[in-house]
Amino acid sequence: QQQVKQSPQSLIVQKGGISIINCAYENTAFDYFPWYQQFPGKGPALLIAIRPDVSEKKEGRFTISFNKSAKQFSLHIMDSQPGDSATYFCAATLGSGGSQGNLIFGKGTKLSVKP
Amino acid sequence: NAGVTQTPKFQVLKTGQSMTLQCAQDMNHNSMYWYRQDPGMGLRLIYYSASEGTTDKGEVPNGYNVSRLNKREFSLRLESAAPSQTSVYFCASSEDPRHEQFFGPGTRLTVL
Repeated sequence: QQQVKQSPQSLIVQKGGISIINCAYENTAFDYFPWYQQFPGKGPALLIAIRPDVSEKKEGRFTISFNKSAKQFSLHIMDSQPGDSATYFCAATLGSGGSQGNLIFGKGTKLSVKP
Repeated sequence: NAGVTQTPKFQVLKTGQSMTLQCAQDMNHNSMYWYRQDPGMGLRLIYYSASEGTTDKGEVPNGYNVSRLNKREFSLRLESAAPSQTSVYFCASSEDPRHEQFFGPGTRLTVL
């Protein structure tokens, strides 16, 4: 199946805390897993992405953890800041191109970081 | 570079009216996409164009048509707008489907 399930729908974290957003997928052929960040009134923008040949990827305060056997991946935001308040979308796609190469998005998580 | 531009930014239509949403990219990307975003539903693909001269249906194509006018431009047309098409519409482009998608600023459409 093509679904990507994302949780939680919303998340409130104190400044300096760790934000964790989880996604699960069903299609074992997916091989590219990006996270997009969207601020109010703006289009989504790529934040960080991972391919299944690694279990973790870190860029600054943002880390993707990938568990291939569980078909799950998660976004960790360390030392969360009020400026991180946004909606986050996970996504997945196949590498074969054609219609199967299109991104399948999760439904999004609205993160609020309180000062 | 402007990236991905969309016009208009806002639009209000009455049921049954038609309109075309315009999208252009200046990154020489091959692939272009139209999504709609509704609260709690994430981003759903309406139509996409993997390369110039080709278009194909996405997850929610009913009520929409598209035209890949050239490599830069990809338009979305609503022939007879319905209240269910009230949404925020995003255009995106990428080098190919497996590369980063760059999104435009969106068009907020209300159908009364």
